[in-house]
Amino acid sequence: AQSVTQLDSQVPVFEEAPVELRCNYSSSVSVYLFWYVQYPNQGLQLLLKYLSGSTLVKGINGFEAEFNKSQTSFHLRKPSVHISDTAEYFCAVNSGGYQKVTFGTGTKLQVIP
Amino acid sequence: SQTIHQWPATLVQPVGSPLSLECTVEGTSNPNLYWYRQAAGRGLQLLFYSVGIGQISSEVPQNLSASRPQDRQFILSSKKLLLSDSGFYLCAWSVSSGIYEQYFGPGTRLTVT
Repeated sequence: AQSVTQLDSQVPVFEEAPVELRCNYSSSVSVYLFWYVQYPNQGLQLLLKYLSGSTLVKGINGFEAEFNKSQTSFHLRKPSVHISDTAEYFCAVNSGGYQKVTFGTGTKLQVIP
Repeated sequence: SQTIHQWPATLVQPVGSPLSLECTVEGTSNPNLYWYRQAAGRGLQLLFYSVGIGQISSEVPQNLSASRPQDRQFILSSKKLLLSDSGFYLCAWSVSSGIYEQYFGPGTRLTVT
């Protein structure tokens, strides 16, 4: 079985400050990990993904995430946020060969001017 | 490139009325297809997924049903809507094997009155 925990339902942060959105996963086999972003009334857009190789993954809009196998984490970071980053962010896991992706409950990032 | 379409974008329906939401994918063959629902503050709930024409797996028992009449067409239906069916419905696709990274459509906002 696979599962994802996003501990923070909301994260307020001032503009130009750094941010970290936390994600922990559980799986008994190798995993593929994803972060998606959802702007209001839109579908989910893939931000970045970890499939294999380097544990530091860079995505769109200046975001990056680090895969930590020992801590079963895949936290999302950005060194300086913009107002336009205000959105909901979803972490997701897929155990290879399993047809479904399991999503976390989402973290709403609110960037304060 | 691949494109996923959903319609309608918004829908307001009375309780007890039928429902039909459509999703189509372009630019790929034999995709896995998924229906999700987002209710306010409740994250993504997987409703149905399909690995081929006529093959539907239901994740949550409810008054909704899904069909896949063609390879790249996925339809979500209900004979009689309930108030609790209100939400944001998202269709997604992934490749049929390997890494099941999902790509989402723009969504349909359903309000049952």
